[in-house]
Amino acid sequence: AQTVTQSQPEMSVQEAETVTLSCTYDTSENNYYLFWYKQPPSRQMILVIRQEAYKQQNATENRFSVNFQKAAKSFSLKISDSQLGDTAMYFCAFMGGETSGSRLTFGEGTQLTVNP
Amino acid sequence: EPEVTQTPSHQVTQMGQEVILRCVPISNHLYFYWYRQILGQKVEFLVSFYNNEISEKSEIFDDQFSVERPDGSNFTLKIRSTKLEDSAMYFCASRGDGVGYGYTFGSGTRLTVV
Repeated sequence: AQTVTQSQPEMSVQEAETVTLSCTYDTSENNYYLFWYKQPPSRQMILVIRQEAYKQQNATENRFSVNFQKAAKSFSLKISDSQLGDTAMYFCAFMGGETSGSRLTFGEGTQLTVNP
Repeated sequence: EPEVTQTPSHQVTQMGQEVILRCVPISNHLYFYWYRQILGQKVEFLVSFYNNEISEKSEIFDDQFSVERPDGSNFTLKIRSTKLEDSAMYFCASRGDGVGYGYTFGSGTRLTVV
């Protein structure tokens, strides 16, 4: 079974600075997908960024980028130029390839606070 | 931007009562899911649904739970006899073809069992 671990329960950053959230996972699959979801106080789950394991290039979405290290099974999220609206719980999530179902396995989450 | 709609946003029910949580997935999506999040804990998979049948379910999804797509638009989760420990946020999600694009989640139903 896949597991996802987020070792930082809480983090804080000053507005406009950069912060990196860590995520590691364990799987025996070679083909899979990784995601970061944001959950603001409204508790809605919002997709931030996704990465396909067979792509070596790290995904980027505006101020959000990932550092995907497949051999190390590491998938960290970097938020540049942090904004107050980035304050939220961030969940790392794993999804296996087509042959192993499409359930998402989530990490425990990291509560990020952006301070003015 | 297409949305997944969940109703109600908050439901309070007596222990032992049946509840039905409702979801309207994105119209051209084919795969539907329910997840739950007990307060302060991680998000957990309950069930996936495709082609009018359950494709996968977790150990949480026991006989007290059922899902249904009664018409072309709604997707429901029924809990037959609620327990205190069923209190949680329940999220519906859907996706189209192409597993790697991730899901679109609804805004959740907060279920409180008293």
